[in-house]
Amino acid sequence: DVKVTQSSRYLVKRTGEKVFLECVQDMDHENMFWYRQDPGLGLRLIYFSYDVKMKEKGDIPEGYSVSREKKERFSLILESASTNQTSMYLCASSLGRGTGQYFGPGTRLTVT
Amino acid sequence: EDQVTQSPEALRLQEGESSSLNCSYTVSGLRGLFWYRQDPGKGPEFLFTLYSAGEEKEKERLKATLTKKESFLHITAPKPEDSATYLCAVPSGNTGKLIFGQGTTLQVKP
Repeated sequence: DVKVTQSSRYLVKRTGEKVFLECVQDMDHENMFWYRQDPGLGLRLIYFSYDVKMKEKGDIPEGYSVSREKKERFSLILESASTNQTSMYLCASSLGRGTGQYFGPGTRLTVT
Repeated sequence: EDQVTQSPEALRLQEGESSSLNCSYTVSGLRGLFWYRQDPGKGPEFLFTLYSAGEEKEKERLKATLTKKESFLHITAPKPEDSATYLCAVPSGNTGKLIFGQGTTLQVKP
C-alpha cells in the first residue's frame, strides 16, 4: 500500500513565522503535490513537482514556496505566515502524470 | 476549460436506502476518472479508477460506472459508516494536475 505521511496533524503558528510542512511518500512516486482545503472552496493546488529539484506553480502559489531535494520528500514553506493561510494542508503523490493521487492525512494549520 | 461538477452537494439516506452520486465532467480526451472518499479532518482515500466508457468497479457496497460524459457512484444498502464526502477528479491536460469536483457529502442515518 502507498503511504504518504505528513510531519504534523495539527500545528499552531503566529503571524509572521516561517512554517515548514513536510511530506514523505514511500512508493517511489515521481510526482508530488501540495493542496489546501477550505470549506466551500474545495481542494486547491498550491505547488507540484514532477521530479527532484523541479517545481511547478499550481492555482494558488502566492505566499508559498516548496522544496524537493529527495524524490520521496516534498516540503511546503510559508515564508511569513498570515491568518488567511489557516487551513487544512494535504500532500499527495502519484506514480505518473495524470494517474491517481494518494493523499496523506493532512495538517490542520492555524495561524494566530 | 476542463470542469468537474458533482451532484447533489449533500445527500441524506436512511440505512439500507440505495442511491447514486453523480460526477459530470468536461475534459478534452479523458485519461481516467478517480473517486475518493474523505472523512472529516482526514485526507481523501483513493477508491476507484475508471478509464473508459462502460467500465465498472466495485468495492463492498460501492459501484462506480463511467459514461462518456459522467460517472456514477452507486451505493447499495448503505450503512452509517458509509457517511463521508465523496470526491471525483479527472486529469487535466498533460500536466498531471487533477481537477476535483466540490464533492457530495453523504449522511446515512441508522
